[in-house]
Amino acid sequence: AQKITQTQPGMFVQEKEAVTLDCTYDTSDPSYGLFWYKQPSSGEMIFLIYQGSYDQQNATEGRYSLNFQKARKSANLVISASQLGDSAMYFCAMREPLRDTGRRALTFGSGTRLQVQP
Amino acid sequence: DTEVTQTPKHLVMGMTNKKSLKCEQHMGHRAMYWYKQKAKKPPELMFVYSYEKLSINESVPSRFSPECPNSSLLNLHLHALQPEDSALYLCASSQGGPDRGNQPQHFGDGTRLSIL
Repeated sequence: AQKITQTQPGMFVQEKEAVTLDCTYDTSDPSYGLFWYKQPSSGEMIFLIYQGSYDQQNATEGRYSLNFQKARKSANLVISASQLGDSAMYFCAMREPLRDTGRRALTFGSGTRLQVQP
Repeated sequence: DTEVTQTPKHLVMGMTNKKSLKCEQHMGHRAMYWYKQKAKKPPELMFVYSYEKLSINESVPSRFSPECPNSSLLNLHLHALQPEDSALYLCASSQGGPDRGNQPQHFGDGTRLSIL
């Protein structure tokens, strides 16, 4: 079984500063994928960034980057130059195999609520 | 605007009612999902429909039943729900097929369901 851990229930950051949201995972699969999603108070889940277990470089998407440390089993999200619109819940997720089906679906961590202050 | 459309956005129903949640995507994806999300909790998988095959989270009660009329639609039929079923119900889709670990799931805006 796989497990995703986000140890920061809430984080504050000043506008224009960078912030790191922590995510650790546990899996016995040699091949896996890690995702970060943003969920504003309106409820939609917005895909931000993906990191594959065999990727040689850390993923980057605009102001989002992923600090992937495979040996430590961590995949922290870094948001640079925070904006007020970044205030939201952030979930780390991993594709998990469904028992006896050969299919996979996402398992989410408990989330981190980020508040950007002016 | 998301590419996965969910209707209705809000639904209030009694415990004896029968209703349906609808989800539609036009991205040519072959896998669709239903998740349930309670307040201040992460989403939890309910169903996966991929290449005409349904996979069920065994903990989901039978009062929830999915229906896939075609590859772009995944409905969730509700019957005799309980107050604890009040939650945000999220639909998602992905390319599907042989396991492609890097394909993200694209989510709809969700349906906020309240059971009286």
